[in-house]
Amino acid sequence: AQKITQTQPGMFVQEKEAVTLDCTYDTSDPSYGLFWYKQPSSGEMIFLIYQGSYDQQNATEGRYSLNFQKARKSANLVISASQLGDSAMYFCAMREGTGFQKLVFGTGTRLLVSP
Amino acid sequence: DAGVIQSPRHEVTEMGQEVTLRCKPISGHDYLFWYRQTMMRGLELLIYFNNNVPIDDSGMPEDRFSAKMPNASFSTLKIQPSEPRDSAVYFCASSSRGAEAFFGQGTRLTVV
Repeated sequence: AQKITQTQPGMFVQEKEAVTLDCTYDTSDPSYGLFWYKQPSSGEMIFLIYQGSYDQQNATEGRYSLNFQKARKSANLVISASQLGDSAMYFCAMREGTGFQKLVFGTGTRLLVSP
Repeated sequence: DAGVIQSPRHEVTEMGQEVTLRCKPISGHDYLFWYRQTMMRGLELLIYFNNNVPIDDSGMPEDRFSAKMPNASFSTLKIQPSEPRDSAVYFCASSSRGAEAFFGQGTRLTVV
């Protein structure tokens, strides 16, 4: 079963607008962490933001925020004031468990920011 | 720290040859992951180690693939014999427990 689901293969947004990238996850473990990564065309994987399952508040990092809805098992990434440099692939990922912790990724969403 | 270091950055080899990819994780990290990225299958977790011990290799596609971590500062992923369908970008990543993983620049493997 897919642990991380990203249903949007591609998204378009105009510069300076906000955009939401969807991510839903599947776990029965009460302890887990959710991550978002950016992969620009150059290929490197860049960590953006983290949300722990016990965190009371939604995570924020600059223009990135995570809309964490635990009951719905969703962890959407919100990018405010989009910039041309935000055009990239975005991956949602999860680590779960109190024992050994693998890190698994969704299929990604390609974001294109237009002028 | 210089980050996660992978070598080589690019590898072109002929079908049937042995390929060895190398990774130096960030010092102090106790987890090391190997991923394969292709257009068709996305980012697949092949194997991961904790404290140099392989924990889960269920993502390794076939017996042709093997990975080792002889010490905390070095890991290898070997493909023998290589096939054209192994062509992909292979990433190594390391992390501390529960924290974000830091990725290397990747090795782009082409098997002709």
